[in-house]
Amino acid sequence: SSELTQDPAVSVALGQTVRITCQGDSLRSYYASWYQQKPGQAPVLVIYGKNNRPSGIPDRFSGSSSGNTASLTITGAQAEDEADYYCNSRDSSGMGVFGTGTKVTVL
Amino acid sequence: QVQLVESGGGLVKPGGSLRLSCAASGFTFSDYYMSWIRQAPGKGLEWVSYISSSSSYTNYADSVKGRFTISRDNAKNSLYLQMNSLRAEDTAVYYCARASMIVVVDYWGQGTLVTVSS
Repeated sequence: SSELTQDPAVSVALGQTVRITCQGDSLRSYYASWYQQKPGQAPVLVIYGKNNRPSGIPDRFSGSSSGNTASLTITGAQAEDEADYYCNSRDSSGMGVFGTGTKVTVL
Repeated sequence: QVQLVESGGGLVKPGGSLRLSCAASGFTFSDYYMSWIRQAPGKGLEWVSYISSSSSYTNYADSVKGRFTISRDNAKNSLYLQMNSLRAEDTAVYYCARASMIVVVDYWGQGTLVTVSS
C-alpha cells in the first residue's frame, strides 16, 4: 500500500514534548520527510532524510524511524508550532505520497 | 532567494481545460526536479506530478493520469501543468514546488486556486 497514515490531531502543553507518527509500508524502504503548514500558508519542510533540518528550522524539531513508522518530535513545543503537519515519502512507482495530516494544538 | 510564482488558476467548467504556469527564480532551475502538488479546500496534500531536470522523466498521480501533462522550459525558468477534462474533484490550490531529492520539497510557491464548477 502507498498510504501514509497519521493521527488526525494531537495536543501538547506549552514547553512539553509531542511526537507525531506516520505509518506506511513504504517507510520500511524510504525515509519520511515532514512539513509544517499554518492556515493560509504554503507548507514548510522541517525534517528530511534520516534526521536533517533545513536551514532556519529550530533544533526542537527532530525525526526518527523504525520499521513502518516515522516520527516527528517537537521537544519544548512553542505557541508558533501550532499547525498541521504532513509526512511524505514515495510509493513503489516512485511517486510522492503524503500522509493524512496531523493537527497539532499547543495548549 | 528562491521564488516560485504560480499563475493561471481560475474558474473553469467541468470538462474544460486550464494551463498553470510557475515562474522560478533565485536558483539554477535546470538543476532540479520540479513538482505540482495540490490541496483541496480543507483537505490534505496530494502530489499531482513531477518532472526531472531535463524533462526526460515524468510521473503522475493515478487521479490525473491521462488528463494532466507536466512540462518545463529551462530556458525560461518555467514549469507548466496542462489540465484537461477537469472535474469538480480537481478543485484545489495548486502549488509549484522545487524538489531537492525528487520527492522531498524544499521550496513551495504560494499556490494558485483552481475551481471547477458549472
